[in-house]
Amino acid sequence: AQTVTQSQPEMSVQEAETVTLSCTYDTSESDYYLFWYKQPPSRQMILVIRQEAYKQQNATENRFSVNFQKAAKSFSLKISDSQLGDAAMYFCAYRSPKVQGAQKLVFGQGTRLTINP
Amino acid sequence: DVKVTQSSRYLVKRTGEKVFLECVQDMDHENMFWYRQDPGLGLRLIYFSYDVKMKEKGDIPEGYSVSREKKERFSLILESASTNQTSMYLCASSTPRGDLMNTGELFFGEGSRLTVL
Repeated sequence: AQTVTQSQPEMSVQEAETVTLSCTYDTSESDYYLFWYKQPPSRQMILVIRQEAYKQQNATENRFSVNFQKAAKSFSLKISDSQLGDAAMYFCAYRSPKVQGAQKLVFGQGTRLTINP
Repeated sequence: DVKVTQSSRYLVKRTGEKVFLECVQDMDHENMFWYRQDPGLGLRLIYFSYDVKMKEKGDIPEGYSVSREKKERFSLILESASTNQTSMYLCASSTPRGDLMNTGELFFGEGSRLTVL
């Protein structure tokens, strides 16, 4: 079974600085999807960024980018120019490429990010 | 925008009570999921459904059951609540439809925080 590990329970960063959240996963599959989700305090979880394993190019969404190292099974999230609104719990997640009923996501333990003004 | 609505944000129940958690989505999604979120453990899948009246066990189904009588509604049932079921419960939906790039992104509700006394 696939597993996802986030080894940083908490991180903090100064506003406007850059922070990197770590994620590693374990799988025997060659094709899959990886996600970073953000859960703001008392608000619903939203997708931040996604990466298809067959793509070598790292995904980027504005200030958010990933460093996808397939051989190392590593998928870190970099947040540039951190803003107060980035404070949240961040979850890394893995999804198998199988269709229909197996479209479930496996999540890591989460990293709580604090932004210091 | 996709909207996933969970009927109760906060519930307090007593040990042995039967508990219903309701979830409704308005985007005609085939897939619906119930996750449990606990500190340090991340999100763990309880049950999911990829069609009306279809259900599959996730990683921690013990003590729970589900019902999906209509496509838009997915209910989580605790037949006899226990204190170790005190947790945050998250409902999510997704669709396998779309183009080849569809990655099965999950759309989440705001969560239901259940306390069992």
